[in-house]
Amino acid sequence: NAGVMQNPRHLVRRRGQEARLRCSPMKGHSHVYWYRQLPEEGLKFMVYLQKENIIDESGMPKERFSAEFPKEGPSILRIQQVVRGDSAAYFCASSDISTYNEQFFGPGTRLTVL
Amino acid sequence: DAKTTQPPSMDCAEGRAANLPCNHSTISGNEYVYWYRQIHSQGPQYIIHGLKNNETNEMASLIITEDRKSSTLILPHATLRDTAVYYCIVKTNAGKSTFGDGTTLTVKP
Repeated sequence: NAGVMQNPRHLVRRRGQEARLRCSPMKGHSHVYWYRQLPEEGLKFMVYLQKENIIDESGMPKERFSAEFPKEGPSILRIQQVVRGDSAAYFCASSDISTYNEQFFGPGTRLTVL
Repeated sequence: DAKTTQPPSMDCAEGRAANLPCNHSTISGNEYVYWYRQIHSQGPQYIIHGLKNNETNEMASLIITEDRKSSTLILPHATLRDTAVYYCIVKTNAGKSTFGDGTTLTVKP
């Protein structure tokens, strides 16, 4: 049973470009969470999605960031017009509500903005 | 979600038990205590969770005080590979996890 998969593992963008991060949840999981970890800091919640719905986006920056989890395919975290401050590790987690919502994390995508 | 307080760092000798404390004095009745760890820069790994009873699995034991205002994660025989940042999280069953600064556990030979 494959775990949570994220790609790419490393992403380099220049300022002003767009970054698209993908997350494939564990098989059978319908809940996806995105977290951001700045260098030397803890994880910060960004957004919680179920299939085709955003449940909680209280941690998402108001501009340039968006997330989706379509009926088919992976969840996408999109960052438009990236700035150097967006450089961080972005982790995705998935859960199945029947397992008391323990969240299984992917290996992360490390975004570097030049 | 309730706030948690953990010591910033702890050391433990290899082979000995590691006892990691967590204070969560504002925990609500429907909130669980979860523990995760993050080894180096990998994705966090779920360890254990509980509501009010003590819990044990193949990785660790979780001891929750009767008033539920604090808990202790116990790694019974720490190894060098247990060196990591350990996060105590208090949350309801569904929804986001709020990670604090955690405890950096260093297991020494």
